[in-house]
Amino acid sequence: GAVVSQHPSRVICKSGTSVKIECRSLDFQATTMFWYRQFPKQSLMLMATSNEGSKATYEQGVEKDKFLINHASLTLSTLTVTSAHPEDSSFYICSARYPPGQGNSPLHFGNGTRLTVT
Amino acid sequence: EDKVVQSPLSLVVHEGDTVTLNCSYEVTNFRSLLWYKQEKKAPTFLFMLTSSGIEKKSGRLSSILDKKELFSILNITATQTGDSAVYLCAVSAGGTSYGKLTFGQGTILTVHP
Repeated sequence: GAVVSQHPSRVICKSGTSVKIECRSLDFQATTMFWYRQFPKQSLMLMATSNEGSKATYEQGVEKDKFLINHASLTLSTLTVTSAHPEDSSFYICSARYPPGQGNSPLHFGNGTRLTVT
Repeated sequence: EDKVVQSPLSLVVHEGDTVTLNCSYEVTNFRSLLWYKQEKKAPTFLFMLTSSGIEKKSGRLSSILDKKELFSILNITATQTGDSAVYLCAVSAGGTSYGKLTFGQGTILTVHP
């Protein structure tokens, strides 16, 4: 069964509004979660690493003020796309893995959120 | 900078054919290599490889890693139309990058009846 849950699966919003995407680890505590973005016919690009209880680590070229990440608990990370524009339309996917010491487990992905900004 | 390159970028075959997908990588502090299958949604996990020369199998799919030559292959035998998907290769690093995956461009596999 799924180990990472992501919500919503699809969202359409107007330009200038903000959208929040939730990512939950279902049966384990994830001190670290990862947010990826995927444009059509392209591979997954890591946006940021979400760390429970501390600031997220953003990859080069990703705007911190635009993509707000909050990891307030050991099972929940949120990504908020602020002041969305049409070019932010993409497939956003979160992922998590069991913490170190609980086996060398693969990264598990949520089902993704297809964001369309009109 | 970590780098993962997959080939071919796309492949069209007929049912029953056998395909081999390639993945080469350059990564600092290599931990593991992973294969995922993606069909219009989030990737689903196929294999995780950490040791050279040990083949992992799951039904018609198998994969092997060569840490000396820095590559991996994914084989699919007796392909079916349901195998049509994007196959993603990713590498995981350890240390401060623990958990982060660097993905290749993917191989688009199309299996015709």
